[in-house]
Amino acid sequence: QVQLQESGPGLVKPSGTLSLTCSVSGGSISSNHWWSWIRQPPGQGLQWIGEIFPDGRTNYNPSLRSLVSISIDNSKNQFSLKVNSPTAADTALYFCARHLTGYDAFDIWGRGTMVTVSS
Amino acid sequence: DIALTQSPGTLSLSPGERATLSCRAFQSVNSRSFAWYQQKPGQAPRLLIFGASTRAAGIPDRFSASGSGTDFSLTISRVEPEDFAVYYCQQYGSSPPLYTFGQGTKLEIK
Repeated sequence: QVQLQESGPGLVKPSGTLSLTCSVSGGSISSNHWWSWIRQPPGQGLQWIGEIFPDGRTNYNPSLRSLVSISIDNSKNQFSLKVNSPTAADTALYFCARHLTGYDAFDIWGRGTMVTVSS
Repeated sequence: DIALTQSPGTLSLSPGERATLSCRAFQSVNSRSFAWYQQKPGQAPRLLIFGASTRAAGIPDRFSASGSGTDFSLTISRVEPEDFAVYYCQQYGSSPPLYTFGQGTKLEIK
């Protein structure tokens, strides 16, 4: 059974770099799935950040495109998120998720990791 | 962007009652690109429905969904205690590629 696990620092300074990794277990990240990052500010709803395919193709939320990048390491069965120059508005619970093949939905989610941007 | 508006914001029901949650899109959505999720406090969202009306694996049949175009709904035939949670609708638009979520409906115990 495929499982996802997010990891990264819980506290990031403003104007630093917010970097998170999603480790995939129980299956190969190189399978025919897109993989996404989604975040949820405290007490708020869900915002899709972007997605990546095993061949490196990416798509980003247009409102975040200039600030984020997603990469994949097939050999480590991981994909990663970087948010440049984070602000307090980037404080959120960050989830990684797998796309359901053939449909535009997310069928497997990590438990999420809380990131606070503060000096 | 295709904005999604969920109603009501909060739904107060007793166990055993029927719950009907709505989600309206600003523009027409491909049914294949529409989904519903359940989120409990401190947990990740769980996929309930994909393709607008297909239950995900392991989802009880008291959950059903329907809709097309701009109007979609999720029904819980008889609410169980474990169903009290926040429910989100989600759609995908391809130009540009973008997933968006509704603001959520909180199903609370009356």
